[in-house]
Amino acid sequence: DIQMTQSPSSLSASVGDRITITCQASQDISNSLNWYQQKPGNAPKLLIYAASNLETGVPSRFSGSGSGTDFTFTISSLQPEDIATYYCQQYDNLPITFGQGTRLEIK
Amino acid sequence: QVQLQESGPGLVKPSQTLSLTCTVSGGSIRSGSYYWSWIRQTAGKGLEWIGRLYASGSTNYTPSLKSRVTISVDTSKNQFSLRLRSVSAADTAVYYCAREARQYNWNDVNGAYYYYYMDVWGKGTTVTVSS
Repeated sequence: DIQMTQSPSSLSASVGDRITITCQASQDISNSLNWYQQKPGNAPKLLIYAASNLETGVPSRFSGSGSGTDFTFTISSLQPEDIATYYCQQYDNLPITFGQGTRLEIK
Repeated sequence: QVQLQESGPGLVKPSQTLSLTCTVSGGSIRSGSYYWSWIRQTAGKGLEWIGRLYASGSTNYTPSLKSRVTISVDTSKNQFSLRLRSVSAADTAVYYCAREARQYNWNDVNGAYYYYYMDVWGKGTTVTVSS
């Protein structure tokens, strides 16, 4: 199985901050990476697909980049409603695997 | 828009079979552009992909559960189902069904290629394994 390692595991930031989460794959996955947002009590929500494509309806402050083994997820200006846990997910090889999540909190 | 809804018992006894159904509304499960997936979430292991089913009936499963899992489809009811046999406390989790889109792309360099992403999720259902 491909292991997905996210960092940091938790992050505290202020409204308006630029925040970055990284995701590293245990082997080359090209750009076969998605990012999801999960708020407490809710299902995950797709934000970014294929490393850098913004899902329809998702605010432009969210973005993703990277290829191969190293990927980055960025929120350009943190908003209070962005408080959630964020997950990366690879689909290059079955089984599909997820990162362990990054919990984002407001300072 | 397409919506998914999980249903099934919230409590299952150890060694018995966990059975869940996902009802698809607002779209057809027969569409060739999608896979239909099951994912579970525990505090200890995070999000775990269980497996998926294609409109043709073909399936893929995660190796660690493959010997105990069956995902099947009932096109007449626009539903797909999960059966997990011989459950234990380790199978206690929130279970989600999801639609995985298979997006076709083409360019001069790579020719045809696909993006895959889970764009529609059910709300999830909690299943506890306990006697």
